[in-house]
Amino acid sequence: AQSVTQPDIHITVSEGASLELRCNYSYGATPYLFWYVQSPGQGLQLLLKYFSGDTLVQGIKGFEAEFKRSQSSFNLRKPSVHWSDAAEYFCAVGNTGGFKTIFGAGTRLFVKA
Amino acid sequence: DAMVIQNPRYQVTQFGKPVTLSCSQTLNHNVMYWYQQKSSQAPKLLFHYYDKDFNNEADTPDNFQSRRPNTSFCFLDIRSPGLGDAAMYLCATSGNTEAFFGQGTRLTVV
Repeated sequence: AQSVTQPDIHITVSEGASLELRCNYSYGATPYLFWYVQSPGQGLQLLLKYFSGDTLVQGIKGFEAEFKRSQSSFNLRKPSVHWSDAAEYFCAVGNTGGFKTIFGAGTRLFVKA
Repeated sequence: DAMVIQNPRYQVTQFGKPVTLSCSQTLNHNVMYWYQQKSSQAPKLLFHYYDKDFNNEADTPDNFQSRRPNTSFCFLDIRSPGLGDAAMYLCATSGNTEAFFGQGTRLTVV
């Protein structure tokens, strides 16, 4: 069965520090992988996606993620966190075109001054 | 420009009183979804439409129904809301790339 695991429920980083959010997936075929961000009371905004090709993908707001097939991982990174990055981050996996996207439990990011 | 629009953003309904949530899209995508997201949890897929074909997830309660009168619009009907149905309801569409989400409707049951 398809599943997504985000092992960290919440993470706190200092503003300006680097960030890595972990994501592991279980999928029978070639996965379509996504990271979404959600601010309180808002919908989901796509940060980046991986379908094929270069395993390091760049997204919006300075985020990047690396697909590692051998580890079934798709970790999200940012070199320098801003206070406005505080939000909930969801890793997700889907079929072609994001069909029936399923989500991990999310990681809440707190940013301290 | 909003591509997936949900109305209303906030909905309060009485216990047991039917309620309808609305979603429209300007992307002309074939697939539309409804997700339920409870506080501090991941969005959970309730059902989806592929064109006019309705597909229910196995664990979606019978209390939840949906209608899609045309490509642009999709409705979520909750026949008899219980306190446990209080949640954020997210509408989404997908085409060839990824799922696009609306801003959600926060449902409160009193």
